[in-house]
Amino acid sequence: DAGVIQSPRHEVTEMGQEVTLRCKPISGHNSLFWYRQTMMRGLELLIYFNNNVPIDDSGMPEDRFSAKMPNASFSTLKIQPSEPRDSAVYFCASSLGLAGGMNEQFFGPGTRLTVL
Amino acid sequence: GNSVTQMEGPVTLSEEAFLTINCTYTATGYPSLFWYVQYPGEGLQLLLKATKADDKGSNKGFEATYRKETTSFHLEKGSVQVSDSAVYFCALRDSGGGADGLTFGKGTHLIIQP
Repeated sequence: DAGVIQSPRHEVTEMGQEVTLRCKPISGHNSLFWYRQTMMRGLELLIYFNNNVPIDDSGMPEDRFSAKMPNASFSTLKIQPSEPRDSAVYFCASSLGLAGGMNEQFFGPGTRLTVL
Repeated sequence: GNSVTQMEGPVTLSEEAFLTINCTYTATGYPSLFWYVQYPGEGLQLLLKATKADDKGSNKGFEATYRKETTSFHLEKGSVQVSDSAVYFCALRDSGGGADGLTFGKGTHLIIQP
């Protein structure tokens, strides 16, 4: 199993540019999560999907952030326009979401975003 | 709301020393508790978990016991190795067992010296 795949692994962009981060969850998993990791705030849940439907986006910091999951094997997190304070490592995770189950989340390697 | 508090790092120990990383939590429901480990340049990996009071999670010599009375889930290992150097995150998921997101502590950077 390839695990959760994220691309790109590193992204450097200039303030004001659009940034798109991509995630391919583990095949068969029906839940997908986007997290952001910074030194100041640690790991924060941004949004999660269940069966391709956004369930909770209360962690999305601003309207500049948007996430989509057009099908079970692909999700994007978009920042438009990007700002220097968006610099962070963004993780995608997936799990097999069964009610009452342990639902271990498997994390991708992350995308390190730097906004200049 | 939910929150996780864990000891600040870095924690520096010598090889074969005893390790404790404290973790306490606040939750609105009856959470499941987790420890994740992050090695340099990698994503998080689940280390161990516990779903109900007095459960003990264990893996790779690490242990943590779900203490509801003290709302704690401290991580312990009897004899650490250099290869244990990493960042450790305590996390919870609130009750229901569904596919909910995790609430993480800030992480504890562990450094093991030979």
